[in-house]
Amino acid sequence: DAGVTQSPTHLIKTRGQHVTLRCSPISGHKSVSWYQQVLGQGPQFIFQYYEKEERGRGNFPDRFSARQFPNYSSELNVNALLLGDSALYLCASSDNRGTGELFFGEGSRLTVL
Amino acid sequence: AQSVTQPDIHITVSEGASLELRCNYSYGATPYLFWYVQSPGQGLQLLLKYFSGDTLVQGIKGFEAEFKRSQSSFNLRKPSVHWSDAAEYFCAAYTGTASKLTFGTGTRLQVTL
Repeated sequence: DAGVTQSPTHLIKTRGQHVTLRCSPISGHKSVSWYQQVLGQGPQFIFQYYEKEERGRGNFPDRFSARQFPNYSSELNVNALLLGDSALYLCASSDNRGTGELFFGEGSRLTVL
Repeated sequence: AQSVTQPDIHITVSEGASLELRCNYSYGATPYLFWYVQSPGQGLQLLLKYFSGDTLVQGIKGFEAEFKRSQSSFNLRKPSVHWSDAAEYFCAAYTGTASKLTFGTGTRLQVTL
């Protein structure tokens, strides 16, 4: 069975641009979460979606948005990119049993110049 | 505030030696606890998890962790380290009210031959 897949794996943007990152969860998982991992730090929670509804949001500015589609895949959008948005963006899926157990993808490495 | 602390930023051990990585949590109630491993440029792989019950939990790749309520700790151990264990290790905690995993800052493990 395929795990969590993310695209693109690497991308380079310039300040002020916007970016869209995509994620497909494990088959059967209805919950998708997004995390930002800055170099040298632990992942920080951005969003959680379940059944296309936002269930949680971390301490990130409104430039960050996300959505979940009927097939449970998800997009993370970041507008007006800043240098500080350079990070590894991780998507994770879960079966929403309420245990917090997450299965992570390989991530999308975003570099903002 | 709810938090996860990994006191050791960097640990070096010789191949074949034992390993213990420390993790402490600060929560009002006992959260669900996890250890993840991350190889360079990769996503996070779940090593083991603690929900309740037996305080010594076994994981993949020969790792185990012991939950100690009195010390608010969930330390990761391995009896004999292999060179392939060199990676970044993250402890994480989950409570249902927050709908998110809270990660520690990570411990980088270096293995010398």
